[in-house]
Amino acid sequence: DAGVIQSPRHEVTEMGQEVTLRCKPISGHNSLFWYRQTMMRGLELLIYFNNNVPIDDSGMPEDRFSAKMPNASFSTLKIQPSEPRDSAVYFCASSHTRRNTGELFFGEGSRLTVL
Amino acid sequence: GQSLEQPSEVTAVEGAIVQINCTYQTSGFYGLSWYQQHDGGAPTFLSYNALDGLEETGRFSSFLSRSDSYGYLLLQELQMKDSASYFCAVSRSGYSTLTFGKGTMLLVSP
Repeated sequence: DAGVIQSPRHEVTEMGQEVTLRCKPISGHNSLFWYRQTMMRGLELLIYFNNNVPIDDSGMPEDRFSAKMPNASFSTLKIQPSEPRDSAVYFCASSHTRRNTGELFFGEGSRLTVL
Repeated sequence: GQSLEQPSEVTAVEGAIVQINCTYQTSGFYGLSWYQQHDGGAPTFLSYNALDGLEETGRFSSFLSRSDSYGYLLLQELQMKDSASYFCAVSRSGYSTLTFGKGTMLLVSP
C-alpha cells in the first residue's frame, strides 16, 4: 500500500517567493497533520485536519502560512511570502481517529530552503 | 501547554542495552508514543503505551508510569542500524494530535 506521499521532496527558493507543499494521505485515513522540523525547535505541529476540516491551526506561525484540504486525498501548505527562517523540513502525516493508538504515518518530508 | 524532556544524546556499543527516558507534563494525558527517525528520513512509529507497564515489540520495549509522568524506551541487542533519533510524544484525551519531545540521538558504535 502507498504511504503518505509528499511533493516536492526538496525546494530551494528565494526570499519573497511563494512556496506550495503538497500531501496525499493514506487512503481511508481521516486525519491529516502538517508538522515542521528544525534543529532548534524540533517537530512542531502546524495544523490538524479531521474529515477535511481544519480543527487546530494554533501552530501556524503567522498569516504567511495557509493550509487547505479540498478533499480527503489532498492537502496543501502554502507559504507566501517565504522567508529564510521558514527553512525546515515539512512533514505531512495521516491517521485514522478511530484507532487512537498514538500512531501517525509520516511522509518522507519536503525539505525547504529559503535563500 | 505540554512539555517533554528526554536526553539529547546517548551512546552505546553493539549488542548492549540502552534505555531512553522521557518525562512529560500535560493536562489530559492519554498515551505516550515512541518514534524512530534516521537521518534524512521520516519519523516512524515504534510503540505506544496508554496503560502503566511494559509493552514489548521484538528488541524494543516501552514502559509507562502514569503516576510519575514518566516513560522509557528500551532497546536490546543493539545493532548499528539502531543509530537514529528517538522521539517520545504525548497524546491527550479528545485530541488526535501528538506533541513531540526534542528527540534523543542514539549513536551505536562497533
